[in-house]
Amino acid sequence: QITLKESGPTLVKPTQSLTLTCTFSGFSLSTTAVAVGWIRQPPGKALEWLALIYWDDDKRYSPSLKNRLTITKDTSGNQVVLTMTNMDPVDTATYFCAHTSLTVMHYWGQGTLVTVSS
Amino acid sequence: SYVLTQPPSLSVAPGQTARISCGGNNIGRKSVHWYQQMPGQAPVLVVFDNSDRPSGIPERFSGSNSGNTATLTISRVEAGDEADYYCQVCDINCDPVVFGGGTKLTVL
Repeated sequence: QITLKESGPTLVKPTQSLTLTCTFSGFSLSTTAVAVGWIRQPPGKALEWLALIYWDDDKRYSPSLKNRLTITKDTSGNQVVLTMTNMDPVDTATYFCAHTSLTVMHYWGQGTLVTVSS
Repeated sequence: SYVLTQPPSLSVAPGQTARISCGGNNIGRKSVHWYQQMPGQAPVLVVFDNSDRPSGIPERFSGSNSGNTATLTISRVEAGDEADYYCQVCDINCDPVVFGGGTKLTVL
């Protein structure tokens, strides 16, 4: 059974950095073609893809957020970490991580709401 | 970058067929995936690779993709199908991944 769970701060101040951790089980991020991605959703708005990291450590980033995002993996610890710098109130959203295989996001975490406010 | 266009909303009576479109330039050449999102919940994959269904998804959910439009079809719509639906593709080498703007399905 594949599960993913996001963790991190629920409140961040403007200009601070956000670090989120996705802890997963039921699969290995060293398996060919497997990846873990991050997606966010501002309240009442659409899904927005953020970043993706592959089994071979190849990485992809949203073009509009590329300069603010870093994605890393700890294969042995079954975790993927997303860091977003210079947070702003418009970054208030629920952040999801998802197991991705051959472009498909088969399994999603429950999401974690992050509020950016002073 | 690549853009996917969905109608913001669609209303269908119970028992009827809902067709949710997802437009993109030559989208027929890409694999399209569809997600259902209930209020306050994470998205759930309902169709992948244009027309395949994950295990546990009812046969009422089907997909097609040709030319500049992909379509998610929900037959015999039920009240429990009321949700937001998103299409998703990967641009070249998933650089980047793209979601449509979502369609809110209302069951009358």
